[in-house]
Amino acid sequence: EAQVTQNPRYLITVTGKKLTVTCSQNMNHEYMSWYRQDPGLGLRQIYYSMNVEVTDKGDVPEGYKVSRKEKRNFPLILESPSPNQTSLYFCASRGSETEAFFGQGTRLTVV
Amino acid sequence: GEDVEQSLFLSVREGDSSVINCTYTDSSSTYLYWYKQEPGAGLQLLTYIFSNMDMKQDQRLTVLLNKKDKHLSLRIADTQTGDSAIYFCAERGSQGNLIFGKGTKLSVKP
Repeated sequence: EAQVTQNPRYLITVTGKKLTVTCSQNMNHEYMSWYRQDPGLGLRQIYYSMNVEVTDKGDVPEGYKVSRKEKRNFPLILESPSPNQTSLYFCASRGSETEAFFGQGTRLTVV
Repeated sequence: GEDVEQSLFLSVREGDSSVINCTYTDSSSTYLYWYKQEPGAGLQLLTYIFSNMDMKQDQRLTVLLNKKDKHLSLRIADTQTGDSAIYFCAERGSQGNLIFGKGTKLSVKP
């Protein structure tokens, strides 16, 4: 089954404690991206990657890092999380077809 | 810059038609999309339209594209309570990324 898998689904952490949200896709897609969703702001792109070892900033990259060492994985790293990074995060991937496949989301709370 | 605008709320009665509107700024967008997000779930692609089309129909869904006015609409015929969700309009940006509107929350009253 074609899917994008994010882990964890829910996470509560403390300010400053490094965390990683994993994202994996099984469709051999080249394009992957991370979004955050906040009430009243819709989805905003954090980072994207057009292929292995190629990553670029989206609209709201501050406070985040990503890596793309292999095609299927695109982890999102928060080196020093802060409360303003409390949000719902989505990973997505797309191949040459039009549809972008989304993961189920990771709800992160930073206290 | 690239931007997508849509109204935040829409309320309809069960059985009526719903029309969700969206405007976008990038006239070079090749694809425009409608995504649906149910409570607690990710985004699901409902339909998309290629920029050289005016209309696309898929069962109860009709997408209308006015390229001159950069206006996209989604019509849901015979709206059901199961259609209650947030609907996102999106355009494909110049970098291949998706640019989303803020989402329209559709409430369907019985």
